[in-house]
Amino acid sequence: AQSVTQLGSHVSVSEGALVLLRCNYSSSVPPYLFWYVQYPNQGLQLLLKYTTGATLVKGINGFEAEFKKSETSFHLTKPSAHMSDAAEYFCAVSESGTSYDKVIFGPGTSLSVIP
Amino acid sequence: KAGVTQTPRYLIKTRGQQVTLSCSPISGHRSVSWYQQTPGQGLQFLFEYFSETQRNKGNFPGRFSGRQFSNSRSEMNVSTLELGDSALYLCASSPRDLKRVPQETQYFGPGTRLLVL
Repeated sequence: AQSVTQLGSHVSVSEGALVLLRCNYSSSVPPYLFWYVQYPNQGLQLLLKYTTGATLVKGINGFEAEFKKSETSFHLTKPSAHMSDAAEYFCAVSESGTSYDKVIFGPGTSLSVIP
Repeated sequence: KAGVTQTPRYLIKTRGQQVTLSCSPISGHRSVSWYQQTPGQGLQFLFEYFSETQRNKGNFPGRFSGRQFSNSRSEMNVSTLELGDSALYLCASSPRDLKRVPQETQYFGPGTRLLVL
């Protein structure tokens, strides 16, 4: 069965420091992987996705993530945190089922950026 | 281009009632997905419609249903409301297939906040 784990429900980084948000998944077949961001009192936004091909995926706002099959991970990184990056981040996995694709979200990681 | 719009933005219902939420996707987008967000259960995928057909669905009871019209607008309906249905319901649209079209992205509406009393 699919599942998504996000290590650390809350992460704090200093402005200008590396952002690393961890995501591990379980899937019985090659998955599709996503990172979403939700800014305070706003809707969701798709940051990036892995479907096929290159395992290092670049997204919006300077974020990127690397799909590592051997580690069943899809960690999100950004070289230098900005105050505007403070938000809730969700990792999601989707795999093809016999009838329907299933989409499972992780519990989310709240990112704080300290000036 | 106008973004994804959802109506109403806020709604208060009582247990046992039913509710219909509406989502208008970005012009030209044919895929519409619905999600539920609650403090307890987090984000959960409800279903996805493409060209008036339900293409994918999550693990929700039959009280949750949806449909998509020929203009790609979508509605979701919840019958016999329960207190636990109180949530933010998010709708998102994409042109065709977010998973199988590499360059495709997805856009979310602001959500409908439903309170069941």
